[in-house]
Amino acid sequence: EVQLVESGGGLVQPGGSLRLSCAASGFTFSNYAMSWVRQAPGKGLEWVSGISNSADSTYYADSVKGRFTISRDNSKNTLYLQMNSLRAEDTAVYYCAKDLSAARGFDFWGQGTLVTVSS
Amino acid sequence: QSALTQPASVSGSPGQSITISCTGTSSDVGGFNFVSWYQHHPGKAPKLMIYDVTNRPSGVSNRFSGSKSGNTASLTISGLQAEDEADYYCSSYTSSSTLGPYVFGTGTKVTVL
Repeated sequence: EVQLVESGGGLVQPGGSLRLSCAASGFTFSNYAMSWVRQAPGKGLEWVSGISNSADSTYYADSVKGRFTISRDNSKNTLYLQMNSLRAEDTAVYYCAKDLSAARGFDFWGQGTLVTVSS
Repeated sequence: QSALTQPASVSGSPGQSITISCTGTSSDVGGFNFVSWYQHHPGKAPKLMIYDVTNRPSGVSNRFSGSKSGNTASLTISGLQAEDEADYYCSSYTSSSTLGPYVFGTGTKVTVL
């Protein structure tokens, strides 16, 4: 059974940093690209960042480019999102999602972790 | 550059069919057959319902079907059931560099009357 479990969310002040983790199990993690998707309160889903299976390619939405860094450790089956210079508008539930393949969508998602940016 | 456009809400009675539209551009929905649909119950993980415009993952009811015409994709739910009440999002691969490889729709709340 595929499982994706996010952790690391919490309350952080504007300008602060946070690192999210996503522990994967039930599939060969190193074979699949992964992404982070977020949902701000009362809003829709927004793709945030993606990484290829071997980590040689990374992608970012313009809204987080230069502030967020996606990475992965295939030996630990774990996906990360380092979030710096956080803003109030980054407040959201952050989901990690497994790419189906070749930009075709996401076949499995985690339950999400809440990030709140507020003073 | 913005999200794909969906109706904010769609409703239907049990047993009826409803259709949710998802309108984009030739840079996303119209240009590629990489449209997917997700069901999202609040507080739960989103669930993939349709991928590659028309394909259903294993375990998804055949009451859910997808289609596309030009820059608009559609999700049809037939034989509407109470458990179908949820938020639904479309997504597409996009060649727009400002949006990254994926763009989501604005979301549609489905209400079963």
